[in-house]
Amino acid sequence: QSVLTQPPSVSEAPRQRVTISCSGSSSNIGNNAVNWYQQLPGKAPKLLIYYDDLLPSGVSDRFSGSKSGTSASLAISGLQSEDEADYYCAAWDDSLNGLVFGTGTKVTVL
Amino acid sequence: EVQLVESGGGLVQPGRSLRLSCTASGFTFGDYAMSWVRQAPGKGLEWVGFIRSKAYGGTTEYAASVKGRFTISRDDSKSIAYLQMNSLKTEDTAVYYCTRRKAAGKGYYYMDVWGKGTTVTVSS
Repeated sequence: QSVLTQPPSVSEAPRQRVTISCSGSSSNIGNNAVNWYQQLPGKAPKLLIYYDDLLPSGVSDRFSGSKSGTSASLAISGLQSEDEADYYCAAWDDSLNGLVFGTGTKVTVL
Repeated sequence: EVQLVESGGGLVQPGRSLRLSCTASGFTFGDYAMSWVRQAPGKGLEWVGFIRSKAYGGTTEYAASVKGRFTISRDDSKSIAYLQMNSLKTEDTAVYYCTRRKAAGKGYYYMDVWGKGTTVTVSS
């Protein structure tokens, strides 16, 4: 079961900005780093953001992450068709002693 | 090139066992913890477990849904991580991904390299 809650879907026109929320609790997001993963259709997930707001080498700076309290957000600016994918947040959960993923958000570019 | 390649998936009957392998290349395998993540058809990602590097005791952690049935091990001499799955259930049907896990202290972990996955189908 997913402990982190995300909106099922978001959609926006090309070149616009979208934000995906990830809501958790003090045992996960509130006390540990949040990571974001992008999963293109039919592909394996790929690391997009780590330690709340850091970009891995090679990831476009159109992606950005933030965290406040027990919630985190992923923003995609200058939306492009290639950004159509599923996005998952993840964080370690101290109570479960395991990694928890968000429910996932499908991004559609209109 | 840093790469992870999973193998060993297939069709298996409920109650039987299966072992998955994850062959690493392009990095010093023994320096890293390794994780397994699965994705049931049409569903989201689910963490299965991970194994620490030998430097950190080579110990393991598992999700509650697989604890006692699944075992993760590693052979650093061959750069391979394994996922032994016993007493398989139909709900274990999924694509299983192997990942490299990086850590910078308590609560600061992420998976920076993923394999393409191997499919496990549990059905009679």
